[in-house]
Amino acid sequence: QKEVEQDPGPLSVPEGAIVSLNCTYSNSAFQYFMWYRQYSRKGPELLMYTYSSGNKEDGRFTAQVDKSSKYISLFIRDSQPSDSATYLCAMSARAGGTSYGKLTFGQGTILTVHP
Amino acid sequence: GAGVSQSPSNKVTEKGKDVELRCDPISGHTALYWYRQSLGQGLEFLIYFQGNSAPDKSGLPSDRFSAERTGGSVSTLTIQRTQQEDSAVYLCASAPPSRSYEQYFGPGTRLTVT
Repeated sequence: QKEVEQDPGPLSVPEGAIVSLNCTYSNSAFQYFMWYRQYSRKGPELLMYTYSSGNKEDGRFTAQVDKSSKYISLFIRDSQPSDSATYLCAMSARAGGTSYGKLTFGQGTILTVHP
Repeated sequence: GAGVSQSPSNKVTEKGKDVELRCDPISGHTALYWYRQSLGQGLEFLIYFQGNSAPDKSGLPSDRFSAERTGGSVSTLTIQRTQQEDSAVYLCASAPPSRSYEQYFGPGTRLTVT
């Protein structure tokens, strides 16, 4: 079983919809939780990062972390065709831990927002 | 400012040849990472450099893979005696001091071994 599980989709939604992307994980040492967006044939682009549990909002994007359930989410409000990409969750252990700094990625969810 | 740059963007090589991939991190970033992205395996960690500390090589898949970082800046990933299973996109990332989880990726080098 992988340390980080992410449904690869694909997910197709109409423009303006609210998109929910999720990951689950098994390693309780993970403390930092990131979401990356990757367009075709480009490198991953950091969207948001969160430390420990809680919510974080940035414009149309909201990241949620529930450490008790080992479950993280990314919500995209008012989705746009330009949001069409692969979304990757990534996690890292706390500073000083042996896994600190190494990101463990989910498989990525392919999202298409159609006009 | 300038992001992470990688060269070449594409590399086609014959099985058994050696290849070198280059990464230029963001200025001031002390941490540098190499990852590999392939269809079946997703994004996999390869190696991690942090300042002057010994690199974390725990993700290198075999002794044919090596990497170095000169002067705390530019890094080179070398693959010797390439095999077809080495075909993948090799991604480099850098991170600011004390924020190694906040990684910024380059565009990658697409390696094809024929």
